[in-house]
Amino acid sequence: EVQLVESGGGLVQPGGSLRLSCAASGFTFSNHWMHWVRQAPGNGLVWVSRINDDGSSPIYADSVKGRFTIARDNTKNTLYLQMNSLRPEDTAVYYCARGPETSGYYIDYWGQGTLVTVSS
Amino acid sequence: SDELAQPPSMSVSPGQTARITCSGDALPKKYAYWYQQKSGQAPVLVISEDTKRPSGIPERYSGSSSGTMATLTISGAQVEDEADYYCYSTDSGGNQRGVFGGGTKLTVL
Repeated sequence: EVQLVESGGGLVQPGGSLRLSCAASGFTFSNHWMHWVRQAPGNGLVWVSRINDDGSSPIYADSVKGRFTIARDNTKNTLYLQMNSLRPEDTAVYYCARGPETSGYYIDYWGQGTLVTVSS
Repeated sequence: SDELAQPPSMSVSPGQTARITCSGDALPKKYAYWYQQKSGQAPVLVISEDTKRPSGIPERYSGSSSGTMATLTISGAQVEDEADYYCYSTDSGGNQRGVFGGGTKLTVL
């Protein structure tokens, strides 16, 4: 069974940093591209970032480029999102998600999400 | 534009057919995907590559695409189908970044 478990969310002040983790199990992690998607309270889904299977090609939405860094450790089956210079508008549930082996550009499984709140 | 536009809400009675649309200039060259999100839960993929239904998704869910519009159809909607539905595709840039539509709140009552 595919499982994606996010952790690391919490309350942080504007300008602060936070690192999210996503522990993957139930599939061969190193064969799959991975994504981060966020959802502000009461709002829709917003794609944030994607990383390819070996971690060599990270891609970002314009809203987070230069502030967020996606990374992965295939020896630990873990995906990361380092978030710096956080703003109140970054407040959201952050979902870790898997791209299928056949095409990593979309998402076939999602974690349950972790809440990030940016507030003073 | 790579934006995807969806109606904010729609309502059907149980047993009726719900058709949720997603329009975008890039859709003639891009696949559309559909996700269902029930209240307080993570999204679930219900249609991939315009028309494919993943294992475990009821047959009443189907997808189609023509020109700049993709459509998710729920034939004989059930009360349990009440949820937010999001279309998804990738942008037309070389990096093919992900793009979600704004979501459609489907009410079945």
